[in-house]
Amino acid sequence: NAGVTQTPKFQVLKTGQSMTLQCAQDMNHEYMSWYRQDPGMGLRLIHYSVGAGITDQGEVPNGYNVSRSTTEDFPLRLLSAAPSQTSVYFCASSPVEGNTEAFFGQGTRLTVV
Amino acid sequence: KNQVEQSPQSLIILEGKNCTLQCNYTVSPFSNLRWYKQDTGRGPVSLTIMTFSENTKSNGRYTATLDADTKQSSLHITASQLSDSASYICVVSLNYGGSQGNLIFGKGTKLSVKP
Repeated sequence: NAGVTQTPKFQVLKTGQSMTLQCAQDMNHEYMSWYRQDPGMGLRLIHYSVGAGITDQGEVPNGYNVSRSTTEDFPLRLLSAAPSQTSVYFCASSPVEGNTEAFFGQGTRLTVV
Repeated sequence: KNQVEQSPQSLIILEGKNCTLQCNYTVSPFSNLRWYKQDTGRGPVSLTIMTFSENTKSNGRYTATLDADTKQSSLHITASQLSDSASYICVVSLNYGGSQGNLIFGKGTKLSVKP
């Protein structure tokens, strides 16, 4: 019963490097999203998707790209990493409609030097 | 502006004691409110959900309350255990639906339970 799986758990990047954070869920949830969590800031929404082929921006989308080619996967791409993107990133998914619970992955701790 | 404010920011209690965490929100239109528990190094996990018509709901040693008139919620932890040490996050949903673009997160209360 995997739930939401994020990889990698830890990553160090140099400024200007690119990388993709992976997120996969096996619960057939239509809604998926990416958040970043910084000290004293709480969780902030980066991008979200309401289904395959559909994505939208959240509160802090700049510097990040997403795509949703399948129901299961929702990767987050950093095209040119900046120190301001040092954070803990969480992927979440939830079922359609209703008073839905968001199921979170275990997070990716990213450091940009 | 839709906001969720939590207090206190952090709290230290002795094992076996009770505590209450507060959540005030200015979110409209309100759909529901969830309390999440986030252990260090892990993702948040839902503890309980409160809808507009519910005043109190218990989940083991956790009891959540909701006053929709004053837009306040509380999470009461009874007979605390060391494993209760975590951050507790209040999350309010806008409207009725599953879109995670409609979730408003509080910054959390960091609870430390000491032996």
